[in-house]
Amino acid sequence: GESVGLHLPTLSVQEGDNSIINCAYSNSASDYFIWYKQESGKGPQFIIDIRSNMDKRQGQRVTVLLNKTVKHLSLQIAATQPGDSAVYFCAETLDSWGKLQFGAGTQVVVTP
Amino acid sequence: GAGVSQSPRYKVAKRGQDVALRCDPISGHVSLFWYQQALGQGPEFLTYFQNEAQLDKSGLPSDRFFAERPEGSVSTLKIQRTQQEDSAVYLCASIVSGGPYEQYFGPGTRLTVT
Repeated sequence: GESVGLHLPTLSVQEGDNSIINCAYSNSASDYFIWYKQESGKGPQFIIDIRSNMDKRQGQRVTVLLNKTVKHLSLQIAATQPGDSAVYFCAETLDSWGKLQFGAGTQVVVTP
Repeated sequence: GAGVSQSPRYKVAKRGQDVALRCDPISGHVSLFWYQQALGQGPEFLTYFQNEAQLDKSGLPSDRFFAERPEGSVSTLKIQRTQQEDSAVYLCASIVSGGPYEQYFGPGTRLTVT
């Protein structure tokens, strides 16, 4: 199918290495953030979330870091695997109902 | 349990035709969102429902776009007199309750207007 990641920044990572994907968010009042993974032809898949009262949250092989001072979010993937190849989006909530604003996305390519 | 489903998965329409895109959220989920995703970009918000009430339609690009969720479950996004710039993937997402929590996305409907 068509690539989700045309014209997106690309991060090339060797299998087994750690990946770090960065995101700048726009609204200093945002209080909830999500990282999504999107494979070609599929909808975004939830990876991990974090609320603004935290600066770090860990999941299975993933860690999200939040720096509210500079409005920066990062996703760290440990021991990157071929199945991690996808486009990764950060998203912030714009209101109390959960409306999301997505960042530009980063294409991650895992090489053997 | 079943996730969010959308139909059709692919739709080709001639310019000027009307289309209807369907979303079946996760059973019992109160909140439902529609997003539009252009090729190579992130999803952009279109509209939001809490049960059957459309609480925010600020992202609908024109009055040719209309969404409904009459019984608080299934939702339909309708586009009248389609234009080429309407070509995109239309994504539906649901949340178990109102508020900023994890949104579960469907696979999307890819609309191509020729």
